[in-house]
Amino acid sequence: QVQLVESGGGVVQPGGSLRLSCAGSGFTFSREAINWVRQAPGKGLEWVAHISHDRVQKFHVDSVKGRFSISRDNSKNTVSLQMNSLTPEDTAFYFCAITGYSHGWGVFEHWGQGSLVIVS
Amino acid sequence: DIQMTQSPPSLSASVGDRVTITCRASQDISHYLNWYQQKPGKAPRLLIYDASNVQTGVPSRFSGSGSGTDFTLTISSLEPEDIATYYCQLYDNAHLFSFGPGTKVEIK
Repeated sequence: QVQLVESGGGVVQPGGSLRLSCAGSGFTFSREAINWVRQAPGKGLEWVAHISHDRVQKFHVDSVKGRFSISRDNSKNTVSLQMNSLTPEDTAFYFCAITGYSHGWGVFEHWGQGSLVIVS
Repeated sequence: DIQMTQSPPSLSASVGDRVTITCRASQDISHYLNWYQQKPGKAPRLLIYDASNVQTGVPSRFSGSGSGTDFTLTISSLEPEDIATYYCQLYDNAHLFSFGPGTKVEIK
């Protein structure tokens, strides 16, 4: 079955950097677009970044542009989110999720369990 | 940017009640609207895609409707396991992805 597993979360000081990873299995990784979605504790969902299956398209929400960068290595079935210049407002659970797996390109059909990033 | 609103922000209903949650977009998004259920400590789960299509494995008491700017998620008969927060989400080429603020459903 489709499985996404995030790793790399932890506690970091303001201004610091962290790199999250999302490992996929149970599907043809190189065919699927992957996203990062975050959720601050007790708050709603916020889409953060998107990368197409072939790395041609990369998009980031305005609030992280210039600080975060999404990338992928299809040979290792992983997507990464490099987060620099972190602020307390970046504190959140970070989920990776597949879009366009069975339905429209914007449907988040499969999700990982999340990785907690605390900036303090 | 397209603004998404959901109403009500929270609701309390009895088991067996019909529950309706509304999502409104600030501009026409056709049918590009999805609904998710999130239980505490868990990842979101896709319920409805493209406004009215029920995801495989989702109980038949969940349904979605609407197009353009106004959308509805309906639970025909509330069950205890439906306690969760429900989010709508739009997607379009210009604005990519945006989630609504969520509706928390509790049992009365």
